[in-house]
Amino acid sequence: KAGVTQTPRYLIKTRGQQVTLSCSPISGHRSVSWYQQTPGQGLQFLFEYFSETQRNKGNFPGRFSGRQFSNSRSEMNVSTLELGDSALYLCASRLAGDYEQFFGPGTRLTVL
Amino acid sequence: AQKVTQAQTEISVVEKEDVTLDCVYETRDTTYYLFWYKQPPSGELVFLIRRNSFDEQNEISGRYSWNFQKSTSSFNFTITASQVVDSAVYFCALSENAGNNRKLIWGLGTSLAVNP
Repeated sequence: KAGVTQTPRYLIKTRGQQVTLSCSPISGHRSVSWYQQTPGQGLQFLFEYFSETQRNKGNFPGRFSGRQFSNSRSEMNVSTLELGDSALYLCASRLAGDYEQFFGPGTRLTVL
Repeated sequence: AQKVTQAQTEISVVEKEDVTLDCVYETRDTTYYLFWYKQPPSGELVFLIRRNSFDEQNEISGRYSWNFQKSTSSFNFTITASQVVDSAVYFCALSENAGNNRKLIWGLGTSLAVNP
């Protein structure tokens, strides 16, 4: 069974631009969560989607948004990029009702 | 508020040494889950173990073992006879059991270097 995939793996943007990251969960997993990982703040929860509905949201500004499609694939969008948005963005999927989350390799975003 | 503390930022050991990674957590919930994940240099987080708050039985999986003590709010992880392939960043995480909420609160991680 294929694991969680994330595209692109690396991305370089400039301040003020926007970016869209994509995540394809493991087949059969309907829950997708997004995390931001930085050296200073560690891993921080962004949001979770289940069956196309956002079920939980972390403490991030409205510039961070996401959505989930009917096939459970998810995208997250960051608008008006800031230097501090440079991070590894990780996506995780899980089975409904389960606690174990399976992570993708992440997208490394660099904002110049 | 929930919080996970991994006091050891970096640990360096020589191969075959035993090493223990500490994890201390804070939560007001009576039902919660604790996790350990491994993040090798490739970046992908790998699930190692999950423990619920009602199960304090220690667990052993090969060279890995976990010691859960509610009295001290600790969930420590020991690698016996460490190997170079164990070099990675290890994260401890906490999840509350609130309906469908599965948000993970993470420690800052412990970077383990196992030298040959």
